[in-house]
Formats: sequence, C-alpha cells, structure tokens
Amino acid sequence: EDQVTQSPEALRLQEGESSSLNCSYTVSGLRGLFWYRQDPGKGPEFLFTLYSAGEEKEKERLKATLTKKESFLHITAPKPEDSATYLCAVPTDSNYQLIWGAGTKLIIKP
Amino acid sequence: NAGVTQTPKFQVLKTGQSMTLQCAQDMNHEYMSWYRQDPGMGLRLIHYSVGAGITDQGEVPNGYNVSRSTTEDFPLRLLSAAPSQTSVYFCASSYKSPNQPQHFGDGTRLSIL
Repeated sequence: EDQVTQSPEALRLQEGESSSLNCSYTVSGLRGLFWYRQDPGKGPEFLFTLYSAGEEKEKERLKATLTKKESFLHITAPKPEDSATYLCAVPTDSNYQLIWGAGTKLIIKP
Repeated sequence: NAGVTQTPKFQVLKTGQSMTLQCAQDMNHEYMSWYRQDPGMGLRLIHYSVGAGITDQGEVPNGYNVSRSTTEDFPLRLLSAAPSQTSVYFCASSYKSPNQPQHFGDGTRLSIL
C-alpha cells in the first residue's frame, strides 16, 4: 500500500538552530515528490518538486533533497517566520491523485 | 488575481442537513480538487476534475457530490451531513494535474452537530 510518513510530528527550534524534516514514502515507481508549507488558517502553499534521487532544490533558508526512499527538508538558520506546518506528497499510480503526509509542525522561537 | 476562492469560511450544520461548499479559480486551470484535512492525518482527496464536465472520485468520496459545469467553478455538495464530516475542506487547482504546483484556497471549516 502506498504510504507517506513525516517525522517528527512537531519540532521546536531556537532562531538560528538548523535542522531537518523527514518525509519517507513507499510507492511503486516514484513520479515526483512535492513539499508544501501551510500557515495556520490557510491552505498549503507550494514549495518544491523533486523528481529523481540526488536532486536538490533550494529556496531561501530551505533546501529539499531526495533519495530513493525519503526526502529531507533542511532548514538553515531558521527565523520565526519559518514557523509553519510542512507537508509532503507523492503521486499514486493514478496521474490525478496524490498521497499526503500528516505534516511536521515547525516552531521557531526568537 | 484572486487565485482560488472558497466560500463560506466557516459553517455549522445539523446532522442530516445539506449544503454546498463553493470553489472558484481565475487561473484557467483544468485540474481542480477537493480535500479534507483532519487532525493527525494527511490531506485526503474527496473528488477531482480534469476539466469542465469531467469529474471522478478520490480516496473518500462517500457522502459528497461534485459537478464541473465551467472551468472556473467546482462546488462540493454534502448530501446529508454527518458528524464524521466535521473537518476543514480545501479546494485546489493546477494547470493539468496535481503533479504540477497546486494552488489552494484558504479552506472551509465545517462543524456538524
């Protein structure tokens, strides 16, 4: 069964303290992996798409990486405005459906 | 450019009532979808559409109905509300499929008493 698991469920960091979020998946034939950011009371906002193992994408303090079994979202020297829930998702065998992880709630304390 | 607009933002219903959640997008996207988000769970796909006149079921379609008469609009109907349908509902759109960046509305928070 296709599955996406994110860890940890919640992560509290001090401002400037770098760390990583994990997204592991079990799907047959990866056709991409997506990262989204969700602020409280808002819908998810697209961050990155990764297609193949070894690929990396960066945006400001965020860098997403992909292996054959998992993806990491590295956050370097985070600021309080990086506080949000980060979601990952992968396509199923259908081209029109994604499986989503439950998310990691990131809290950056000033 | 409004993006994806959902109405209402909040709604309280009684068990057995019906209602329609509205979703509109102004980006001429072909793919639109409805998700529900529950605590501790990932987004779950209810229904989706790949263009006007074409809809299909997602992971959790029971108790919900959709139609797509125009490219812009994709309403979600609750036929007979049940407490298990208490959730936050998100509408999303993308150019042709969810494998491209999806744009989400800000959600409808629905409580069924």
